[in-house]
Amino acid sequence: EDQVTQSPEALRLQEGESSSLNCSYTVSGLRGLFWYRQDPGKGPEFLFTLYSAGEEKEKERLKATLTKKESFLHITAPKPEDSATYLCAVRNSGGYQKVTFGTGTKLQVIP
Amino acid sequence: DVKVTQSSRYLVKRTGEKVFLECVQDMDHENMFWYRQDPGLGLRLIYFSYDVKMKEKGDIPEGYSVSREKKERFSLILESASTNQTSMYLCASTGSSGDTQYFGPGTRLTVL
Repeated sequence: EDQVTQSPEALRLQEGESSSLNCSYTVSGLRGLFWYRQDPGKGPEFLFTLYSAGEEKEKERLKATLTKKESFLHITAPKPEDSATYLCAVRNSGGYQKVTFGTGTKLQVIP
Repeated sequence: DVKVTQSSRYLVKRTGEKVFLECVQDMDHENMFWYRQDPGLGLRLIYFSYDVKMKEKGDIPEGYSVSREKKERFSLILESASTNQTSMYLCASTGSSGDTQYFGPGTRLTVL
């Protein structure tokens, strides 16, 4: 069974204090690893898809990286508007369209 | 721009009522999904559909049914709502590759 574990559960940063969120996964053949941002009371907003180890993607202050066992979401010089819950998910290479989600890291950036 | 809409943002129903949640996507996506999200449990898949009139059970289908009569619309039905179905319900869709899922804004359902 596919599994996704995110750490830490919650993270509090000062504005400008860079850090990383971790997503560890086990999957029977990785088809894709996804990062989403979710604001309170709203649906997840797509950020990145990573397909193979060594791949990296960037968007503004966010950079996602992927190894064979985990993914990191690096946040450089965060701002208060980056405060949200960040979700990681994986899809295996089987025919079934199921995506397994982690429970998220709640990030708070303090001015 | 990708667009998934859900019929209600907030809904309050009584125990035993039949509840309909509707989801519409405008991206001509083949696959559509219904999840519920609860604190500490993350997103759990209820049902998904890979084509019109086709459906597959997810991890927690008990107490739910779905309908997909048109490609763009996927409905979740609670036949007889119960208090343990109080949750945030999220709809998502993907294209034929089945990779990135795009989510709607969610429906916060409270069953009293």
